[in-house]
Amino acid sequence: QKEVEQNSGPLSVPEGAIASLNCTYSDRGSQSFFWYRQYSGKSPELIMFIYSNGDKEDGRFTAQLNKASQYVSLLIRDSQPSDSATYLCAVTFSGGYNKLIFGAGTRLAVHP
Amino acid sequence: GAVVSQHPSRVICKSGTSVKIECRSLDFQATTMFWYRQFPKQSLMLMATSNEGSKATYEQGVEKDKFLINHASLTLSTLTVTSAHPEDSSFYICSAERKYEQYFGPGTRLTVT
Repeated sequence: QKEVEQNSGPLSVPEGAIASLNCTYSDRGSQSFFWYRQYSGKSPELIMFIYSNGDKEDGRFTAQLNKASQYVSLLIRDSQPSDSATYLCAVTFSGGYNKLIFGAGTRLAVHP
Repeated sequence: GAVVSQHPSRVICKSGTSVKIECRSLDFQATTMFWYRQFPKQSLMLMATSNEGSKATYEQGVEKDKFLINHASLTLSTLTVTSAHPEDSSFYICSAERKYEQYFGPGTRLTVT
């Protein structure tokens, strides 16, 4: 069973702080890793993707990947109330067709 | 770029009827589209992979005769929920693949009464 695990939260951080979201996955063959943001009642929105070990930065967002530990994380710097949403970690399933396996999501609440 | 639309955005139907949901990639061609279902407070569950010109590949536990998928062109895939029942009420979301990334449509909220 291919699994992606996330803490459901809520993760509560003050405005301006760094939010750290974590994700582990079970399929060692996975090659691509994605972070999506989903607001209540809306469909997911792609924030970042990462394929290689290490860090990848895009604006206030940094994705970190450690394939040996099967661990991927997302850091959000200078968190804003508008960042309050559910963050979904998704991993491609090595069985083909680039199928994404989603974690259950971590709910982030940024309070003023 | 990478805009995906879905229609309708919301539909209410009576038990026993069929509902068709359309998924379109508006500014790119998508050989592969995916259909997901999301129940309240749960994550997205992949239902099937839709490939243009061939039969869809369904995930384990998803009834292919109940959820009919047709990927007739490189920009359109349709999901038909046949003989819908209240337990089929859910948020149905499609995605279209472009350069190994998936872009999601806005979703269709189905309520079966």
